[in-house]
Amino acid sequence: GIQVEQSPPDLILQEGANSTLRCNFSDSVNNLQWFHQNPWGQLINLFYIPSGTKQNGRLSATTVATERYSLLYISSSQTTDSGVYFCAVRLISSGSARQLTFGSGTQLTVLP
Amino acid sequence: DTGVSQDPRHKITKRGQNVTFRCDPISEHNRLYWYRQTLGQGPEFLTYFQNEAQLEKSRLLSDRFSAERPKGSFSTLEIQRTEQGDSAMYLCASSLGNRNEQFFGPGTRLTVL
Repeated sequence: GIQVEQSPPDLILQEGANSTLRCNFSDSVNNLQWFHQNPWGQLINLFYIPSGTKQNGRLSATTVATERYSLLYISSSQTTDSGVYFCAVRLISSGSARQLTFGSGTQLTVLP
Repeated sequence: DTGVSQDPRHKITKRGQNVTFRCDPISEHNRLYWYRQTLGQGPEFLTYFQNEAQLEKSRLLSDRFSAERPKGSFSTLEIQRTEQGDSAMYLCASSLGNRNEQFFGPGTRLTVL
């Protein structure tokens, strides 16, 4: 079945540090999204990135579709970056099915 | 606010009761999805609508669960004869067109006592 693996599962940083979160997936994708889930459970869209590189402020993401992985970079981390980061994919092999399959997330804690 | 909205935000019920949740997608989004998230896990797909047609259902969606999107706008998810294992966050998302970028609502947190 579809596999989406995220690493590391937990990450603790000092404010101002940089970090890289990784997402590996088992097949070719036509949709890949990164989300940040805040403490109230809201999933916030960070990137829609089935391939290529995008940047938004201190955050950037790269998906290398041919090698089946995506990276989320957080620079100069702030305490408000704390929360769970999810990668979610829709595989090309899923055909007409449109749902996303989520990884188990990376729990990020940024200490002041 | 033009995002996805869900109601109620929290629901506490006793085992055996029926509950119904509502989701209003982003205006003009033709696809609507329901997911369920339990503690420490990523969201898991339940069901998906394109306009008013229910096109996909997960094996997670037992006979006690039913979802509707009667006019292709808002959707309801009903759980009959709730069980303690139904306690979870129920998330709704919507998307438009082939890009299929999904936007999520704030969720309904269900607690079954």
